[in-house]
Amino acid sequence: AQTVTQSQPEMSVQEAETVTLSCTYDTSESDYYLFWYKQPPSRQMILVIRQEAYKQQNATENRFSVNFQKAAKSFSLKISDSQLGDAAMYFCAYRSTHNNDMRFGAGTRLTVKP
Amino acid sequence: NAGVMQNPRHLVRRRGQEARLRCSPMKGHSHVYWYRQLPEEGLKFMVYLQKENIIDESGMPKERFSAEFPKEGPSILRIQQVVRGDSAAYFCASSPRESSYNEQFFGPGTRLTVL
Repeated sequence: AQTVTQSQPEMSVQEAETVTLSCTYDTSESDYYLFWYKQPPSRQMILVIRQEAYKQQNATENRFSVNFQKAAKSFSLKISDSQLGDAAMYFCAYRSTHNNDMRFGAGTRLTVKP
Repeated sequence: NAGVMQNPRHLVRRRGQEARLRCSPMKGHSHVYWYRQLPEEGLKFMVYLQKENIIDESGMPKERFSAEFPKEGPSILRIQQVVRGDSAAYFCASSPRESSYNEQFFGPGTRLTVL
């Protein structure tokens, strides 16, 4: 079964600085999808960025980018120019092409210091 | 286009009572997923439904939990004879098609507290 590991329960960053959140996963499949979700205090799950495993190019969405290392099964999220509104729980998620559920990591709580 | 709607947002039940959680998917979405989030943990998949069909319930506890997605109306997650361990946030997500690339759009969740 696929598992997703986020080894950083908490991270903090100074406003306007850059922070990287780590995620590793375990799978025997070659084709799959990876996601980062943000969960602010409102608890709403918001998609931040996604990556298709067959694409070598790292996904980028404005200040958010990923470092996808398929061989290492690593999918880290980089947040540039951090803003106070970025403070939230961040969840890494894996979705196979063969089943219907998303596997989530335990999350990383990001604090942004003014 | 309204997002995924869940109600109630907060639900308090005493042990032994029944909890009914409702989810209305986004307009045009026919696929619904339920997840449970325990405190300080990530979301855990429970069940995947299409209209009038349960497609995958591999994450559902074997007893007391059931889900449906009728032809008309919202999807319902029912928990019978609730226990304290059922206290959690329950999230519903929807997508337009089964393709795993499709983003799942999440509702705001229902926080269930069992006294």
